[in-house]
Amino acid sequence: GAVVSQHPSRVICKSGTSVKIECRSLDFQATTMFWYRQFPKQSLMLMATSNEGSKATYEQGVEKDKFLINHASLTLSTLTVTSAHPEDSSFYICSAIRDRVQTQYFGPGTRLLVL
Amino acid sequence: AQTVTQSQPEMSVQEAETVTLSCTYDTSESDYYLFWYKQPPSRQMILVIRQEAYKQQNATENRFSVNFQKAAKSFSLKISDSQLGDAAMYFCAYRRGLNAGGTSYGKLTFGQGTILTVHP
Repeated sequence: GAVVSQHPSRVICKSGTSVKIECRSLDFQATTMFWYRQFPKQSLMLMATSNEGSKATYEQGVEKDKFLINHASLTLSTLTVTSAHPEDSSFYICSAIRDRVQTQYFGPGTRLLVL
Repeated sequence: AQTVTQSQPEMSVQEAETVTLSCTYDTSESDYYLFWYKQPPSRQMILVIRQEAYKQQNATENRFSVNFQKAAKSFSLKISDSQLGDAAMYFCAYRRGLNAGGTSYGKLTFGQGTILTVHP
């Protein structure tokens, strides 16, 4: 099956710093990747859709200047949380789809804790 | 807009027994896909089963099967012979068909989730 990785798996940072999370499709080319945020015991909330070579499409209510997304290649998308604050602490999950394939493959997630 | 509703926040089942998780959805489209995902304590999302809306036959994957009622917009998951490893949070999800236009290609709409506990 298709594999999606995320790095780092967990990160602790100080308030005001920026954190970058990487999402890679290891054995397929992903023209589209998605970024989700999840709070404990809650559902996944879609933050943005990332398409290779174009600007990300953000969901309503998600600050695009706060959560910078770059999809520079067919196997890599990055999410940068800029000037992180404690309220940004959460579990961030990425996913990727192949063209014309209906299944979405998920990364293992990144736990962010902002002190 | 599509919505997915899971009305059971928590469910429990005895090992080896059968449990059914409920899911309803709302859409005006005819071409779509439905999914059940499992999220164990590791929090890795795992695809359990997938159903294409145009298929009348209910999808089955080993001990997991669905009851897809298109007219009622219902998509329940049945887990037979429950095992301790089935304990997880289960999410029902909806996705528009490949022929749907716009920027929503590939987007999944998730339900609220159901926490399943399996008792030995």
